[in-house]
Amino acid sequence: SQQGEEDPQALSIQEGENATMNCSYKTSINNLQWYRQNSGRGLVHLILIRSNEREKHSGRLRVTLDTSKKSSSLLITASRAADTASYFCATEQIQGAQKLVFGQGTRLTINP
Amino acid sequence: EPEVTQTPSHQVTQMGQEVILRCVPISNHLYFYWYRQILGQKVEFLVSFYNNEISEKSEIFDDQFSVERPDGSNFTLKIRSTKLEDSAMYFCASSYQTYATNFGPGTRLTVL
Repeated sequence: SQQGEEDPQALSIQEGENATMNCSYKTSINNLQWYRQNSGRGLVHLILIRSNEREKHSGRLRVTLDTSKKSSSLLITASRAADTASYFCATEQIQGAQKLVFGQGTRLTINP
Repeated sequence: EPEVTQTPSHQVTQMGQEVILRCVPISNHLYFYWYRQILGQKVEFLVSFYNNEISEKSEIFDDQFSVERPDGSNFTLKIRSTKLEDSAMYFCASSYQTYATNFGPGTRLTVL
């Protein structure tokens, strides 16, 4: 499989519930980033976690990184309708550190 | 907060025509990038640019593509002879270091 694979591919939950999205990657990384993309729009940087960090918080976002399993998770707590978007993880690899490798993304739908 | 800007937001062109996509990166940033996203697919790296030269490019970035920083503020992507498969959203990005990348809103290129 390719670097930066998210699962699930699509997630639909009720407003107020928590949403968890996962990302796996193959090669060693400098950092892993999560981005949000509203339909047909630009990429919004959410959070960056460095390879020597295990967990990071930003508002309602919580990101974990397990470099031994080469995986990361993004948790959005107390979801809102405005959180409806696609979420992508992107890795900056140690080899080729001037580019981000994106996953396929998780399409998150928050139902009111 | 400074942002990366891109023009035009939507470009329609005939197959075989040349197009130039324009970007104004954040002013104190040193690294500049182009990515593209074919509809429904993941974001793909095209090229990175540092110190007035290409520092890395992907297999997608063939001889039909070129980048230029013609002055101190603009960063352009030229496609010499567009093909149908060049239809995509093109994102410009910039960063002060090789992470924490700021993306622009994108230019949607439609090749007819």
